[in-house]
Amino acid sequence: GQNIDQPTEMTATEGAIVQINCTYQTSGFNGLFWYQQHAGEAPTFLSYNVLDGLEEKGRFSSFLSRSKGYSYLLLKELQMKDSASYLCAVRDSDYKLSFGAGTTVTVRA
Amino acid sequence: ETGVTQTPRHLVMGMTNKKSLKCEQHLGHNAMYWYKQSAKKPLELMFVYNFKEQTENNSVPSRFSPECPNSSHLFLHLHTLQPEDSALYLCASSQETGKGSSPLHFGNGTRLTVT
Repeated sequence: GQNIDQPTEMTATEGAIVQINCTYQTSGFNGLFWYQQHAGEAPTFLSYNVLDGLEEKGRFSSFLSRSKGYSYLLLKELQMKDSASYLCAVRDSDYKLSFGAGTTVTVRA
Repeated sequence: ETGVTQTPRHLVMGMTNKKSLKCEQHLGHNAMYWYKQSAKKPLELMFVYNFKEQTENNSVPSRFSPECPNSSHLFLHLHTLQPEDSALYLCASSQETGKGSSPLHFGNGTRLTVT
């Protein structure tokens, strides 16, 4: 089966930067996704990486290294509303999307 | 109307009941999915439909029965469930399967409690 690992919890202060790491071992690779999920709500799409390197979208950036099976999501200038669970997901050679268990980020004032 | 709508938001049912979860997407997508989300566990893929045809059944017990009458609607029929089936059931859609860059769009889910 697929194996996707990310830390369970992270805490940071408002205005700071937090980096959420994700490592994966999958049968083939057709892209990596990051989703944000607030409690009681739907996961929402944040970013997609298929080539090595950094993708920047405002305060959020996502990095991919396919050779290392590694990605991170960087959240800058943290705001209270960024408190949520962040899900790493990888699409394999059959285009199936497998998810990690999610990282709960708590932003403190 | 939001992209993916699920009803009901909450459902409590006994082990002998029969109920159905409904999902509707207004995004013009051709693929629809059911996922199960339990606390502290990864989302588990249950079923996939592409252009109304079921393309994936991820070893799901037969007490869960999906139905996809058209590309916009997806149902999950439930009967004789077990307490361990209590979870958040998420519906999602995407342009189609087999498209690497196509993200999934999720509904808000149905919180199911089996008593």
